Amino acid sequence: GAVVSQHPSRVICKSGTSVKIECRSLDFQATTMFWYRQFPKQSLMLMATSNEGSKATYEQGVEKDKFLINHASLTLSTLTVTSAHPEDSSFYICSAREQAGGRETQYFGPGTRLLVL
Amino acid sequence: DQQVKQNSPSLSVQEGRISILNCDYTNSMFDYFLWYKKYPAEGPTFLISISSIKDKNEDGRFTVFLNKSAKHLSLHIVPSQPGDSAVYFCAASARGGKLIFGQGTELSVKP
Repeated sequence: GAVVSQHPSRVICKSGTSVKIECRSLDFQATTMFWYRQFPKQSLMLMATSNEGSKATYEQGVEKDKFLINHASLTLSTLTVTSAHPEDSSFYICSAREQAGGRETQYFGPGTRLLVL
Repeated sequence: DQQVKQNSPSLSVQEGRISILNCDYTNSMFDYFLWYKKYPAEGPTFLISISSIKDKNEDGRFTVFLNKSAKHLSLHIVPSQPGDSAVYFCAASARGGKLIFGQGTELSVKP
């Protein structure tokens, strides 16, 4: 299947700092990427839909000024957690939508573990 | 409102036997269904999908069955292997929209 990478895989930061997470589709172009958050023992929670060349669409309850999303190219989307606080500590996962043969499948990155001290 | 439900949080199966993971949905507009496998601290891995025009799709040891009238789909793994132990998520989408995930079922395959 298609490959999606995320960087960094793990990050520890101090409270109040900003953290940028990159999501790349390595072998296909993705006009749409998604950002998820997963809490322990819970399902994936969609945070926002990232569309290349336009503003991201945020899910209800997700602060767009806190979680900045940029989708500058067909293979790269970034999520910046601004002024991070301990409650932002979580596992962040991106996915990229591949359209092939009239079907769409989302392929996920390996995730980024964020710990805010 | 949980549109996609996996009512069994866990399932334990003996190696070599069949694993059956179930998923129910409520939105009749869903037309595409996927199963993902997830290990701890990793992103989900796509396993198999099915569109609403079919009722079965098979790929190796994995078969997905779709019962539209019952709004139910299931993933069969046979024979089950210890390496299949993971959390399995079903997901659904309507007309290429965003994926809606179930809560996941943790499968444990015992040797």
